[in-house]
Amino acid sequence: GENVEQHPSTLSVQEGDSAVIKCTYSDSASNYFPWYKQELGKGPQLIIDIRSNVGEKKDQRIAVTLNKTAKHFSLHITETQPEDSAVYFCAASFDTGFQKLVFGTGTRLLVSP
Amino acid sequence: GAGVSQSPSNKVTEKGKDVELRCDPISGHTALYWYRQSLGQGLEFLIYFQGNSAPDKSGLPSDRFSAERTGGSVSTLTIQRTQQEDSAVYLCASTKPAGENEQFFGPGTRLTVL
Repeated sequence: GENVEQHPSTLSVQEGDSAVIKCTYSDSASNYFPWYKQELGKGPQLIIDIRSNVGEKKDQRIAVTLNKTAKHFSLHITETQPEDSAVYFCAASFDTGFQKLVFGTGTRLLVSP
Repeated sequence: GAGVSQSPSNKVTEKGKDVELRCDPISGHTALYWYRQSLGQGLEFLIYFQGNSAPDKSGLPSDRFSAERTGGSVSTLTIQRTQQEDSAVYLCASTKPAGENEQFFGPGTRLTVL
């Protein structure tokens, strides 16, 4: 089955810096890769996703890149703000209309003012 | 409209007791998922519903765990004879009809088994 590894487990940056979180997956059949943000006491919320037919996707300050050959994908946050502080999860699945997402273990991002 | 809701938000129980956790998905969402989030871990898939049927229940850890969904809406996750290792946050998510990928998560139920 699919296995997703995520690094780092914690990341501390200064406001305005960039943050990068990396994930690797094991199943070459996976073709859908979402990123979720989880704030304290809340459920995860989708922030961006990418499919295997695309190498990069951007949405304002966040971007995701995918390297299918190496089976890794990364989340990039530019110009970080204190409100970006949260736990971020990557996930992977094979899209059959049913999203059995396999999640990474999460990265706790702390953005200091 | 309202998001996914879960109840109770917190549940403390004694080892050996049964618990029921409830999920109300977003109206019109046909697919519903249950996940378990242990401390410091990612989300672990438990079961998936399409309508009232469960095509994939492969993530249920043991036969003490069961879930049902009625009327294509509310779902209940039942854990019988709870054990301390069942302590975790149980999250529910729903998605729009086929073709949409985003899973909308509820706030979760934090279960503590003493």
